[in-house]
Amino acid sequence: SQQGEEDPQALSIQEGENATMNCSYKTSINNLQWYRQNSGRGLVHLILIRSNEREKHSGRLRVTLDTSKKSSSLLITASRAADTASYFCATAVSSNTGKLIFGQGTTLQVKP
Amino acid sequence: DADVTQTPRNRITKTGKRIMLECSQTKGHDRMYWYRQDPGLGLRLIYYSFDVKDINKGEISDGYSVSRQAQAKFSLSLESAIPNQTALYFCATSDGSRGENSPLHFGNGTRLTVT
Repeated sequence: SQQGEEDPQALSIQEGENATMNCSYKTSINNLQWYRQNSGRGLVHLILIRSNEREKHSGRLRVTLDTSKKSSSLLITASRAADTASYFCATAVSSNTGKLIFGQGTTLQVKP
Repeated sequence: DADVTQTPRNRITKTGKRIMLECSQTKGHDRMYWYRQDPGLGLRLIYYSFDVKDINKGEISDGYSVSRQAQAKFSLSLESAIPNQTALYFCATSDGSRGENSPLHFGNGTRLTVT
């Protein structure tokens, strides 16, 4: 079964609004990463949060991690049409293998 | 990521055929990975390699094989393709310098259809 489960599966908002996506996982992790995938393209790394961190920011992105609840959220503030994409969380569970386990993703549509 | 190149971009093949998907990278990374993506299932790891002498199975290696011909090249083979191998295949690299905190860099994928 998948390590990460994302919620919602799909999200549609207006430009300028904030978008929040959630990820839950099952086992202990070393870090959790978020990736974006534009239609027909490969995944692009957005941000990494380590298990001993609770919050991290990068530009308009804010990621939180609650290891007690085994969950993370990705907030995109002041969304733009160019943010339309699928967003995946991925967890690193093994030591020094670099293996990631991906969730099913959230499809975000930002309407102009 | 243009530094990770996958060929072909699209491939249609028949059941039972042998095919090879190729991946080359100019990032100088030691670690390379093959994932497949299916709708609703996210990405699943097929094989990974830390150097030319190191090959490891991932979650779903059955029906696949790989070859690490050089640091920059990692190919995925389907010895006898079957329809449920229809999927989007991604190659990824990482430099491993931060261990498991090293992010992955993906190619643009190969869309494979097995009829």
